Amino acid sequence: SQQGEEDPQALSIQEGENATMNCSYKTSINNLQWYRQNSGRGLVHLILIRSNEREKHSGRLRVTLDTSKKSSSLLITASRAADTASYFCATGNNNDMRFGAGTRLTVKP
Amino acid sequence: KAGVTQTPRYLIKTRGQQVTLSCSPISGHRSVSWYQQTPGQGLQFLFEYFSETQRNKGNFPGRFSGRQFSNSRSEMNVSTLELGDSALYLCASSLEYRTWDEQYFGPGTRLTVT
Repeated sequence: SQQGEEDPQALSIQEGENATMNCSYKTSINNLQWYRQNSGRGLVHLILIRSNEREKHSGRLRVTLDTSKKSSSLLITASRAADTASYFCATGNNNDMRFGAGTRLTVKP
Repeated sequence: KAGVTQTPRYLIKTRGQQVTLSCSPISGHRSVSWYQQTPGQGLQFLFEYFSETQRNKGNFPGRFSGRQFSNSRSEMNVSTLELGDSALYLCASSLEYRTWDEQYFGPGTRLTVT
């Protein structure tokens, strides 16, 4: 079963705008990760945030984690057409890694 | 360093048949995990192999099985295929088991069951 729920399910923006995706999860976690997937291909790891961290940056990506609300957000700044993809959050605990349903991001040139 | 490779990339089978998918991890990685991705259920964890032993298993029927060889390459097998088994099967490798934060994914095998 899936652990997380991404919100929104789909997002369409113009190039240069910022994109924000949210993820909520249900159980305790060791870490939360964000992945990108292009057109049903393999997953590309974007960023990991551990349960004792609140915010992390990587290039144009900013991830926040609120363990009290069991939620995370991924912000992509100054989006590009190449950012068009599906984005998934994944939570890891001692037993497995569970993925959310994903947000489909479309960046229009 | 070469990435995770999966073969074949595409496969078409008919109901009732069985199928074997292969995954070669990154050199030096000893853990291989398998995931099924479908439009309806999303990405779901199948199982993880480490040192030729299944360490974790998701909630899938016994028709789904796997194994790992001494060189860490892994295969997964699905017997008595059903239409609902049509999916993208992804494998991921990592250095050790349960290191969910250091997984590298392959491109996937697209299985279509007709």
